[in-house]
Amino acid sequence: KAGVTQTPRYLIKTRGQQVTLSCSPISGHRSVSWYQQTPGQGLQFLFEYFSETQRNKGNFPGRFSGRQFSNSRSEMNVSTLELGDSALYLCASSLSITSARDEAFFGQGTRLTVV
Amino acid sequence: QQQVKQSPQSLIVQKGGISIINCAYENTAFDYFPWYQQFPGKGPALLIAIRPDVSEKKEGRFTISFNKSAKQFSLHIMDSQPGDSATYFCAASSGGNQFYFGTGTSLTVIP
Repeated sequence: KAGVTQTPRYLIKTRGQQVTLSCSPISGHRSVSWYQQTPGQGLQFLFEYFSETQRNKGNFPGRFSGRQFSNSRSEMNVSTLELGDSALYLCASSLSITSARDEAFFGQGTRLTVV
Repeated sequence: QQQVKQSPQSLIVQKGGISIINCAYENTAFDYFPWYQQFPGKGPALLIAIRPDVSEKKEGRFTISFNKSAKQFSLHIMDSQPGDSATYFCAASSGGNQFYFGTGTSLTVIP
């Protein structure tokens, strides 16, 4: 069964531009969450979506936004890019967000470099 | 503020030895504690997870020890192998898939 697919794998953008990253969860998974990974801050939670609704949001500025489509695919958008946005952006999917704690599977990430 | 504190930052172990990584948390609302393994260029992969109603969970060579009163949990890797060389993250969650991750431990197992 295919894993979590993130596209593109690598991206170089200029300061001030905007970027959209895509995540296709494992078939049947309805929960998608996004994380930013940097050497300095580690893995930090961005937001979580379930059934097209944002369920939780991390402590990131409003320049970071996301959405989820009816087929559970998700996108995140970063507007007015800053140098500090350079990071590995990871998407994780799971069956649901119930207290049963379904295992979360991570994709390989999108490496964003802002120059 | 780091919600989950992890140590050590790096660890070097001989093949066959025991690797021990420790984590501590403050938020008593956390009720799920997974450990993830990450290789360079890959996303984190779930190794093993525990809920606070048990004090220990073992899966193969990997064991989580959990001390609810001390708000600490640790990962033990028995018979460490060079293939275990990776970065390990502890995490905690109080709901959904919003995880608070530790800062990671870079493990090197030397032959």
